[in-house]
Amino acid sequence: QVQLVESGGGVVQPGKSLRLSCAASGFNFGSSAMHWVRQAPGKGLEWVAVISYGGANRYFADSVKGRFSISRDNSGNMVYLQMNSLTVEDTAVYYCARDLDTYGYFDHWGQGTLVAVSS
Amino acid sequence: QSALTQPASVSGSPGQSITISCTGTRSDVGGFNYVSWYQQHPGKAPKLIIYDVSNRPSGVSNRFSGSKSGNTASLTISGLQAEDEADYYCSSYTSSATSLFGGGTKLTVL
Repeated sequence: QVQLVESGGGVVQPGKSLRLSCAASGFNFGSSAMHWVRQAPGKGLEWVAVISYGGANRYFADSVKGRFSISRDNSGNMVYLQMNSLTVEDTAVYYCARDLDTYGYFDHWGQGTLVAVSS
Repeated sequence: QSALTQPASVSGSPGQSITISCTGTRSDVGGFNYVSWYQQHPGKAPKLIIYDVSNRPSGVSNRFSGSKSGNTASLTISGLQAEDEADYYCSSYTSSATSLFGGGTKLTVL
């Protein structure tokens, strides 16, 4: 069965960097676009970034553009989110999600990893 | 990239039907038939319940249905059950090849 497992979250000071990882299994990873979606405590879902199945295309929410990057390793079934210049507004649970097609249908989600930005 | 507009809350009694709206622009909801809906119970990851405006993934109850008119998409839940009490989010593909969520709607089953 499809499984997505995020890791790398934790407490970090403002201005610092963090890299999140998502390990995928149970499907043809190299054929699926992958997304990161976040949810601040008590708030709604916010789409963060997407990487196409081959890695050639990457898009970001305006709120993270220029600070976050997304990458993938199709040989190891991994997707990453590199987060730089973190602010308190980036505090959230970060979910890795598989795209059912290529139009932002998040049909499988990980359990999420918490990133807390605090001094 | 302003969030799609959803009502903050809706409520209904068991057996009734409710509809949640999701309003965007011609750059997202109105411009594409790539609207999806998600159900999220407290402390859980979201679950896809509608995609392509009105398609249900395998295993999702046919009590859930979706539609779209112009810049507004809608999710209807018929025959409300206690287990339907959750937060619901719409999402749309955009003209920038990004995705955009609604602010979320809390459904209370009275």
